[in-house]
Amino acid sequence: DQQVKQNSPSLSVQEGRISILNCDYTNSMFDYFLWYKKYPAEGPTFLISISSIKDKNEDGRFTVFLNKSAKHLSLHIVPSQPGDSAVYFCAARESGNTPLVFGKGTRLSVIA
Amino acid sequence: GAVVSQHPSRVICKSGTSVKIECRSLDFQATTMFWYRQFPKKSLMLMATSNEGSKATYEQGVEKDKFLINHASLTLSTLTVTSAHPEDSSFYICSARQGRPVSPEKLFFGSGTQLSVL
Repeated sequence: DQQVKQNSPSLSVQEGRISILNCDYTNSMFDYFLWYKKYPAEGPTFLISISSIKDKNEDGRFTVFLNKSAKHLSLHIVPSQPGDSAVYFCAARESGNTPLVFGKGTRLSVIA
Repeated sequence: GAVVSQHPSRVICKSGTSVKIECRSLDFQATTMFWYRQFPKKSLMLMATSNEGSKATYEQGVEKDKFLINHASLTLSTLTVTSAHPEDSSFYICSARQGRPVSPEKLFFGSGTQLSVL
């Protein structure tokens, strides 16, 4: 049973436009959400996170939005750049020392 | 950021052989390391949590006798896939946690190992 779902396996966006990556979750006990970015032949690296007490967190070109009632979060990248082309993983965890639960990932291709 | 080195990056082996994968934290001490597995088109799934100096904690459905984990030092954890079979073919990736208390942002990943069992 997938607790974290990334239903779009891939996404193509033109350079300079906005990229929106979506993530849904089923576990209402999740209270912390993260996005990781993965380039080929490298491990995932932390990108941005959001606590369940917030509905938005912004860091430069990256903004994560959380809609708790819909159990949905999204990552917005604007403007998108070719270097943003990577696989993006959504992850979530419950409070305390609990393991992260990952989605399948979405491959973003930013076309110049 | 902190560096986690994982070797080998790719391994092809015959069915019935054992394969060892190493995960090293290069510039920090990792009291806890995690081992994940990702099958094609599936999520990264946590296999086990490895604590230095103690036995690993395995997730439900993961055979501890098949996937041997050793975390003998603060910078090295190894995963040995014993008597590998074709269904063990997968992408294995380790991560190491830096510092206490737990901060998800302080979780650093290795580059992964693609295991193919013929």
